[in-house]
Amino acid sequence: KQEVTQIPAALSVPEGENLVLNCSFTDSAIYNLQWFRQDPGKGLTSLLLIQSSQREQTSGRLNASLDKSSGRSTLYIAASQPGDSATYLCAVDTGTASKLTFGTGTRLQVTL
Amino acid sequence: EAGVVQSPRYKIIEKKQPVAFWCNPISGHNTLYWYLQNLGQGPELLIRYENEEAVDDSQLPKDRFSAERLKGVDSTLKIQPAELGDSAVYLCASSPGAADTQYFGPGTRLTVL
Repeated sequence: KQEVTQIPAALSVPEGENLVLNCSFTDSAIYNLQWFRQDPGKGLTSLLLIQSSQREQTSGRLNASLDKSSGRSTLYIAASQPGDSATYLCAVDTGTASKLTFGTGTRLQVTL
Repeated sequence: EAGVVQSPRYKIIEKKQPVAFWCNPISGHNTLYWYLQNLGQGPELLIRYENEEAVDDSQLPKDRFSAERLKGVDSTLKIQPAELGDSAVYLCASSPGAADTQYFGPGTRLTVL
């Protein structure tokens, strides 16, 4: 059974800092990995999707990497802003049933 | 482009009462998902539809939960009777096809008293 772990559970950084969120998964036979953002009381917004054959994806100040063999992914946020404050969720798709398995998330707070 | 629409946004009921949630996916999206999200946890899949067919309902507690997606568009998730432990956020998502990026609705927050 696929298990997804995210560390740290919570993170507070001052505005302008670069930061890294970590995600690990137990079964490396994945189809893709996605990073989502969730604001309080809201649904999830997809940030980046990395196919299993890819090593990284970039969107603006966000960069996600994937090391399938070691079961790890990182989300790098450059020059953090208060508007980046949210919970970031990692999810892996095993592909066999197109079922996303989510981590418990990292709650990020960017302070002024 | 309109996103995934869910209603109601909030629902408070007493235990043993029935409750239903409605989802309208993004137009043209064939795949529809219902997730349950407990506080401080990631979403967990309850059921996935490909058009009107439920292709993965292994995590749906079938003794009290039911779902339907008539005509392969809108979907309804029902709980009858509700229990205290059902208090959670119920999220609907859709995607053009299986394994494509999923787009989530705002969710329905259910409180069972």
